[in-house]
Amino acid sequence: SQQGEEDPQALSIQEGENATMNCSYKTSINNLQWYRQNSGRGLVHLILIRSNEREKHSGRLRVTLDTSKKSSSLLITASRAADTASYFCATGTGTASKLTFGTGTRLQVTL
Amino acid sequence: DAGVTQSPTHLIKTRGQQVTLRCSPKSGHDTVSWYQQALGQGPQFIFQYYEEEERQRGNFPDRFSGHQFPNYSSELNVNALLLGDSALYLCASSWDRGRSGNTIYFGEGSWLTVV
Repeated sequence: SQQGEEDPQALSIQEGENATMNCSYKTSINNLQWYRQNSGRGLVHLILIRSNEREKHSGRLRVTLDTSKKSSSLLITASRAADTASYFCATGTGTASKLTFGTGTRLQVTL
Repeated sequence: DAGVTQSPTHLIKTRGQQVTLRCSPKSGHDTVSWYQQALGQGPQFIFQYYEEEERQRGNFPDRFSGHQFPNYSSELNVNALLLGDSALYLCASSWDRGRSGNTIYFGEGSWLTVV
């Protein structure tokens, strides 16, 4: 079963704009990880944020976590055509590394 | 440093047949998990291996089985294939030392088509 939902399901923006994707989940978590997936390919790890953290940055990526609202957001600044992909959030509930994924957001960045 | 490697990349099988997929974890990693991703869906957890034993299992039937070898590599076996088993099968590895979650790396996946 899916743990959470990403919102929106699909997002289309122009190059240079910012893209924000949201993730909601249902149960208490230990950590949350964001992944990118190009069509038909494997998952590329973007950021891990632990339950005691509220915000993390990596290059053009900014992730926030609100455990009281059971939600996270991924912001991609100054988007590029190469950012076109599906983005998934995945939650972990313990030290064992099982992940439960959301349904994904399909991001299209046009020139 | 090689990441997670999977083989084969693509394969086609007939209903009722059996398939074996292989995975080598990222160097230094000791935990391997398998996921099934149907078209348009998020990955679903199948099971996880640690120290050559199945540690956790998702909601998949016994037709799905696995193995982890002493070098931490792993196999996923699916018996009596059904059309619904057609999916991308992803292997994930991590280093499990009791921290509150470690980065989990995925391979490129194996595309299985059952006809």
